[in-house]
Amino acid sequence: KQEVTQIPAALSVPEGENLVLNCSFTDSAIYNLQWFRQDPGKGLTSLLLIQSSQREQTSGRLNASLDKSSGRSTLYIAASQPGDSATYLCAAENLSGTYKYIFGTGTRLKVLA
Amino acid sequence: DAGITQSPRYKITETGRQVTLMCHQTWSHSYMFWYRQDLGHGLRLIYYSAAADITDKGEVPDGYVVSRSKTENFPLTLESATRSQTSVYFCASSELAGGQETQYFGPGTRLLVL
Repeated sequence: KQEVTQIPAALSVPEGENLVLNCSFTDSAIYNLQWFRQDPGKGLTSLLLIQSSQREQTSGRLNASLDKSSGRSTLYIAASQPGDSATYLCAAENLSGTYKYIFGTGTRLKVLA
Repeated sequence: DAGITQSPRYKITETGRQVTLMCHQTWSHSYMFWYRQDLGHGLRLIYYSAAADITDKGEVPDGYVVSRSKTENFPLTLESATRSQTSVYFCASSELAGGQETQYFGPGTRLLVL
């Protein structure tokens, strides 16, 4: 059974710092790995989707990498801003024959001005 | 407005009552999903649907019923609400699955069962 873990659960950094959020998964048989952002009281917004054949995806200050062999994905945020404060979740879509996403519990990020 | 909407946004009910949460999307996406989000568990899939009249169970389906008579609507019914079903419920949709397209989420429904 796929399990997705995100460590740390919470992180505070000063503005301008580069940071890395970690996501690990136990079953490498995945279609893709997605990173989402969730603001308090809101739904999830997709940030980056990495298909299983890809190694990384970039969007602006965000870069996500995928290493299926080690069961790891990282989300790199460059030059962090207070507006980046949110909870970041990763989700793995399994190759199990049904389209099921397994989510991690998220990393709550606070960027201090 | 285009997008995915959920109603109600907040609901308080009592144990044993039937509750229906509504989800509507305007993109004509084939796939729709229901998740619940609880502290310590993250998001867990309740049910999903690949097309109208096609539904399947997710990780935590017990106590829930879904239907999909129209592509754009995917209501979730709690047949007899229990306190353990207090949660935030998210609906999502996507055009494709199997690695090719992301899911788009609604704003969520906060449900409190007393």
